[in-house]
Amino acid sequence: EVQLLESGGGLVQPGGSLRLSCAASRFTLSTYAMSWVRQAPGKGLEWVSVISGSGGTPYYVDSVKGRFTISRDNSKNTLYLEMNSLRAEDTAVYYCAKCGSSSVRSAFDSWGQGALVTVSS
Amino acid sequence: QSVLTQPPSASGTPGQRVTISCSGSYSNIGSNTVSWYQQLPGAAPKLLIYNNNQRPAGVPDRFSGSKSGTSASLAISGLQSEDEADYYCAAWDDSLSGWMFGGGTKLTVL
Repeated sequence: EVQLLESGGGLVQPGGSLRLSCAASRFTLSTYAMSWVRQAPGKGLEWVSVISGSGGTPYYVDSVKGRFTISRDNSKNTLYLEMNSLRAEDTAVYYCAKCGSSSVRSAFDSWGQGALVTVSS
Repeated sequence: QSVLTQPPSASGTPGQRVTISCSGSYSNIGSNTVSWYQQLPGAAPKLLIYNNNQRPAGVPDRFSGSKSGTSASLAISGLQSEDEADYYCAAWDDSLSGWMFGGGTKLTVL
């Protein structure tokens, strides 16, 4: 069974930076597109970013463009989300999600347990 | 405000059939496939339906999906207490070059 384990969450001040990691196991990361989805406290799901299996052009929601960077290290079977210039509205549980194929348009068929990011002074 | 519109709540009694709608536009549902996710309280989301009407292995056939034009729906038949959860639709949006989620529907089993 696919396993996704996020780490790197925590409390950070506004304007600060944080890097989330998602360790994948029991499947080959390079074969699949991977995504980050977040959920603010008491709110719905919001897609953040996606990268194809080949590590091609990534896509971002407008609110994080220029501040967040998605990347992958297929040799380590790990997905990352580098978050800079963090704002209070970035406070959320961040989920790592595996897509069903190498295409960024394929559904999210496996999810991690989530990592809480709190942006507050 | 979500690009995909869902009713905020739905309810039914055990054994009933309920449907949850998801309304979009040509650039998302009209041009791409729809997926549905179930989020139980305190848990991560789980894929219920992909490619409009396909169920992953392990998802009961009580759950079914359909799409017509720029709208989609999730139907749950033989409602059970354990179906009480939040349900989200999602689709890729060609205009925004990104994924869109619906606002979510909280299903209550009375």
